[in-house]
Amino acid sequence: DGGITQSPKYLFRKEGQNVTLSCEQNLNHDAMYWYRQDPGQGLRLIYYSQIVNDFQKGDIAEGYSVSREKKESFPLTVTSAQKNPTAFYLCASSPVTSGDYQETQYFGPGTRLLVL
Amino acid sequence: SQQGEEDPQALSIQEGENATMNCSYKTSINNLQWYRQNSGRGLVHLILIRSNEREKHSGRLRVTLDTSKKSSSLLITASRAADTASYFCACRSGSARQLTFGSGTQLTVLP
Repeated sequence: DGGITQSPKYLFRKEGQNVTLSCEQNLNHDAMYWYRQDPGQGLRLIYYSQIVNDFQKGDIAEGYSVSREKKESFPLTVTSAQKNPTAFYLCASSPVTSGDYQETQYFGPGTRLLVL
Repeated sequence: SQQGEEDPQALSIQEGENATMNCSYKTSINNLQWYRQNSGRGLVHLILIRSNEREKHSGRLRVTLDTSKKSSSLLITASRAADTASYFCACRSGSARQLTFGSGTQLTVLP
């Protein structure tokens, strides 16, 4: 998990509430990603960002929003429009190498979101 | 949609035995990566194999890639109880700027 921190470890959301998950990296990586993982499943991409002030939707962006105001930070907001938010959320980062896109991704420890 | 699919979904072996996991994918890839996830934790990168490579080693790990069959295998030799984890393959295709992960193989190594 080195170099990427996620907080909090556990997060509880009430009906109609927006919540924000934090992701910070000190690896000087340009690219950052948010994934959702449901029990016994693989990872599904929510949003990704290749550079500051730019981000792209992944496969399941509906009900989520992100910002990338700083290279080190890529917070994810789970909005009230996301009707089934209970899941394990993983943030990752990777360097963007010249002449090629990012290779290895480095993951944070994850945030488990539960709905009250 | 899932690009990589692992097989088997679960595998249980005795310590010291070898563990083999397979990954199949659908479209042409630039590279294929294997990651490990301990329960409730983030993923850790294990090994990357490029489309022009057929086999790669890293310690007790051996990865093969057969692009004609669109499949890869991960072999862990002389397994240890500490190898117990979920293992995921992830593919990068064409100009895609992201990886597509499979659903994983849950490996249990019994002491």
